[in-house]
Amino acid sequence: QQQVKQSPQSLIVQKGGISIINCAYENTAFDYFPWYQQFPGKGPALLIAIRPDVSEKKEGRFTISFNKSAKQFSLHIMDSQPGDSATYFCAAHKAAGNKLTFGGGTRVLVKP
Amino acid sequence: EAGVAQSPRYKIIEKRQSVAFWCNPISGHATLYWYQQILGQGPKLLIQFQNNGVVDDSQLPKDRFSAERLKGVDSTLKIQPAKLEDSAVYLCASSMTGVTDTQYFGPGTRLTVL
Repeated sequence: QQQVKQSPQSLIVQKGGISIINCAYENTAFDYFPWYQQFPGKGPALLIAIRPDVSEKKEGRFTISFNKSAKQFSLHIMDSQPGDSATYFCAAHKAAGNKLTFGGGTRVLVKP
Repeated sequence: EAGVAQSPRYKIIEKRQSVAFWCNPISGHATLYWYQQILGQGPKLLIQFQNNGVVDDSQLPKDRFSAERLKGVDSTLKIQPAKLEDSAVYLCASSMTGVTDTQYFGPGTRLTVL
């Protein structure tokens, strides 16, 4: 049962370009949506997070856009750099059960 | 601040053997999680502890997997007997109190079952 669907599975972007990753969820009980960044051989690390009462959150080059009615949210990486090459996971938190459900991940490759 | 420590980093075993993983969370973090990450997929929660009590183990295959968190600090995850489909990275994470507090992940243990 995949409660959080993430796309695309992979993407290649030129240095300086914009990377866009999309996630869709089914359960309206989700109340918190973090994005995690994972480098090879490392554990995931929190990148940025948003609550559903906010439509957009920006931290540096990273922006989350949230569409509550469509049950979709996305991560935009502006001015992508080779150091951004990693796998990105969206996640959703449900208060009942108090746990995170992760999307399938997107492998991003930024070409210099 | 020291991060979440896990050992071993890699383990190769034959099917039907047993294996154990160890996790030391960030000091003071009450909540500890074990996730299974199969290659090409997102982490899947296996078990969640609050101090030394189990909060959620609904996705833990209890016929072969077990976990404990003694004294509310370190934790071990055991698989006995292992199956081929258990090949994955086992991630440990910890957070201050609840799930919406940032979860800090360890580097994981890569298990290969032959």
